[in-house]
Parts: sequence; structure tokens; C-alpha cells
Amino acid sequence: EIVLTQSPGTLSLSPGERATLSCRASQSISSSYLSWYQQKPGQAPRLLIYGASSRATGIPDRFSGSGSGTDFTLTISRLEPEDFAVYYCQQYGSSPWTFGQGTKVEIK
Amino acid sequence: QVHLVQSGAEVKKPGASVKVSCKASGYTFIRYAMHWVRQAPGQRLEWMGRINAGNGNTKYSEKFQGRVTITRDTSASTAYMELSTLRSEDTAVYYCARGPMEQQLFAAYYYYMDVWGKGTTVTVSS
Repeated sequence: EIVLTQSPGTLSLSPGERATLSCRASQSISSSYLSWYQQKPGQAPRLLIYGASSRATGIPDRFSGSGSGTDFTLTISRLEPEDFAVYYCQQYGSSPWTFGQGTKVEIK
Repeated sequence: QVHLVQSGAEVKKPGASVKVSCKASGYTFIRYAMHWVRQAPGQRLEWMGRINAGNGNTKYSEKFQGRVTITRDTSASTAYMELSTLRSEDTAVYYCARGPMEQQLFAAYYYYMDVWGKGTTVTVSS
């Protein structure tokens, strides 16, 4: 199975700053079938990005995704107060679908 | 508006089974897949399997093969996930999540999970 490793584990930033989250796969992900989710405490995950770089419906354009092969990045251009949460990458290129361990973006 | 409404919290003893439901509304049920994902306390999300709501085809993670069964009732726009032989490590929040799919003549292709239910807490304890 494809193992996804996210870094850093925790990102401490202030509102207005830029956040860069990394997701590395143990093998190449076919067709860039990688998505990103945001999860807040006590809530279900929310789809942000699919196909490595396509924003889901209703997602603000401060969220962007990039990458291919084994290296992917989620960038939040300017952090808003509601963006402090845990972010997961997930691959759907091969079964079983797998998730990264998450990156927590916290207020500095 | 798309909604997935899950059944309520469950408390089970080791060795028992649990069946969680997920009622869909706001879209054509049979045109999408339904996935099941769980999250144990402090752990990453874990994909358990999915069902093609149109033809009923299922795919399970090998980790759960033999213990999990995903079904659907198209007349009720509801998907179900049953997990058997429960152990304490199965204590988790279980989510259903809608998945876009592309149904072709001889195959179907499954893509990400775009709408999630709120989750059902399953506690396994003696």
C-alpha cells in the first residue's frame, strides 16, 4: 500500500501568514489522484483539493495544491482565523486508499 | 443540498457486530459511490471500503476483509457498513463519504470523497 508522510507535524503561524504543507508518497501516485482535507475538532473532514490541484466547490482561492509523482504541497496563501485545523492528504490512485498522518496548523 | 445522515452512537461488547447506516439526500444516490472511513482516537483517517451505489459492487481494504460488509438500499438512498467480531481497537468514529465515480461499460472509476457524514461513534468495551 502507498504510505503518505506529511510534514511538518505541527505548523505554528499567525493569521495573515503563508502556510506550506508537504505530503510525500512511498511510491508514485497515478494520475495525480491526491486530495487534501481539512478537519476541525469534533467535525468530519472537508474536501479542499482533488486531483492534486483542483479546488473543491466553495473552497476559497487562498487554498492551492500542487505536485505530482511522489511530492505534493498544499499552500494557504494568507491564513484566516478559521483555517487553523488539521490537514490530511489522501491518495485514491491505488487500493487501499490511504491518508497521511496529518499536519496541525496552530495559532502562534 | 447534499446531506449524509448517519445513525447514532453505539456501544458494543467485544466479539459483537455493529451496523451503521448513512442516509443520503439531495442527489441521485445511484450515480455515486459511498465510502466508509474510520478514525480511532488520536489516529489518522483509515479507509475501510466502498460500494458502487448503482450496481452494488464493493471493494474492501485488505485490513478489514472478512470482517466488513458494505451494502446499500437504493429505494431508501441508504448505505450500510457492518463490522463483525469487534475488538477494543475498533473503537472509533466511523464516517460515510460520498464519492464521485465514472461508470463505463466494463469498469468504473472512483475519485476522492466530496461530502462526508458527521460520523458515528462506536465504542467497544466489555
